[in-house]
Amino acid sequence: DTAVSQTPKYLVTQMGNDKSIKCEQNLGHDTMYWYKQDSKKFLKIMFSYNNKELIINETVPNRFSPKSPDKAHLNLHINSLELGDSAVYFCASSHISDTQYFGPGTRLTVL
Amino acid sequence: SQKIEQNSEALNIQEGKTATLTCNYTNYSPAYLQWYRQDPGRGPVFLLLIRENEKEKRKERLKVTFDTTLKQSLFHVTASQPADSATYLCALVGNSGGGADGLTFGKGTHLIIQP
Repeated sequence: DTAVSQTPKYLVTQMGNDKSIKCEQNLGHDTMYWYKQDSKKFLKIMFSYNNKELIINETVPNRFSPKSPDKAHLNLHINSLELGDSAVYFCASSHISDTQYFGPGTRLTVL
Repeated sequence: SQKIEQNSEALNIQEGKTATLTCNYTNYSPAYLQWYRQDPGRGPVFLLLIRENEKEKRKERLKVTFDTTLKQSLFHVTASQPADSATYLCALVGNSGGGADGLTFGKGTHLIIQP
């Protein structure tokens, strides 16, 4: 069974479109995260959710909005996509302040 | 500002030797430090966590040390094998507070074990 899963694995879209990436974890963790890994492979935290509450929100454009329907899911919605949004996006989960389990990543390409 | 630095972008080691990777940090007072492994096209995988009151932690051929005075962690891969080739990431919990902090990663060191 996959612990942290993301869909889709690849996403190619035009500038200006709106897209969503889904994430699900079956580990019973109480905290979920979104990270962005840019072309230089630098991995940076975007959001974390604990008990359906947004705990941190780094300097991410408000075109990005995380949505958590329940503890096992944290989806990422992106409006008005820009070229600079092209990256690999990773979902992760953990018990609060514990080691994190990462999903396989979603490679987003904005044309 | 908070900073995590890993010693080099790429490290070439001959099979069987010990690889040593360095992680230095500034403007942090971490309760613990973590190391992750990332293979191409995959998400990071947790390897080891070391707490501030621990000097050393081992897991099979892996060893991590943590010196809070030097603000440095060393990650050792002993008896290295080509399968150990990957990018190794050092990570600290961010200082955002609130408990549910995400990890702040270094840029990683790409370890290449040559047969």
